[in-house]
Amino acid sequence: GENVEQHPSTLSVQEGDSAVIKCTYSDSASNYFPWYKQELGKRPQLIIDIRSNVGEKKDQRIAVTLNKTAKHFSLHITETQPEDSAVYFCAASQRWKAAGNKLTFGGGTRVLVKP
Amino acid sequence: DAGVIQSPRHEVTEMGQEVTLRCKPISGHDYLFWYRQTMMRGLELLIYFNNNVPIDDSGMPEDRFSAKMPNASFSTLKIQPSEPRDSAVYFCASTPGTANYGYTFGSGTRLTVV
Repeated sequence: GENVEQHPSTLSVQEGDSAVIKCTYSDSASNYFPWYKQELGKRPQLIIDIRSNVGEKKDQRIAVTLNKTAKHFSLHITETQPEDSAVYFCAASQRWKAAGNKLTFGGGTRVLVKP
Repeated sequence: DAGVIQSPRHEVTEMGQEVTLRCKPISGHDYLFWYRQTMMRGLELLIYFNNNVPIDDSGMPEDRFSAKMPNASFSTLKIQPSEPRDSAVYFCASTPGTANYGYTFGSGTRLTVV
């Protein structure tokens, strides 16, 4: 089955700096890669996702890149703000395939933005 | 839309008791997932359904765990008998199978077994 590795496990950045989180996946059949943000005591919430036919996607201060050959994808947060402090999870899925439509999550990255 | 609705939000029970967690997916979503979150093991998929049919239950820890989806708007996850190591946050999530949407999570049930 799919295995997703995520690094680093914790990340401390100064407000205004950039944060980068990296994930690798094992199953070349995976075609959908979402990122979730989870604040303390809350549910994981989708912040951005990317399909395997796209190399990069951007939404305001967040962007995701995908390298299918190397089987890794990354989340980039620019101009970090204190409200970006949370746990971020990457995930992989064989989306739109009945037997593979499940999300496998990475271990999470705890991001702390220091004012 | 009210989103994915889970109940109860918190459950404290004694070891050996039966626990039932409930989930109502978003209307029209034909996939429903049960995840368990712990500090040690992160987010683990327990089981998921497509059109009310279980597709993959390989993540269910043992026979003490069972899940059902009697109709498109309701699913249950049951633990019998419960053990302290079952203490975790249990999330339900749903998604449409073919549309370009992500997976939406419920607010979770925090289970404590004492």
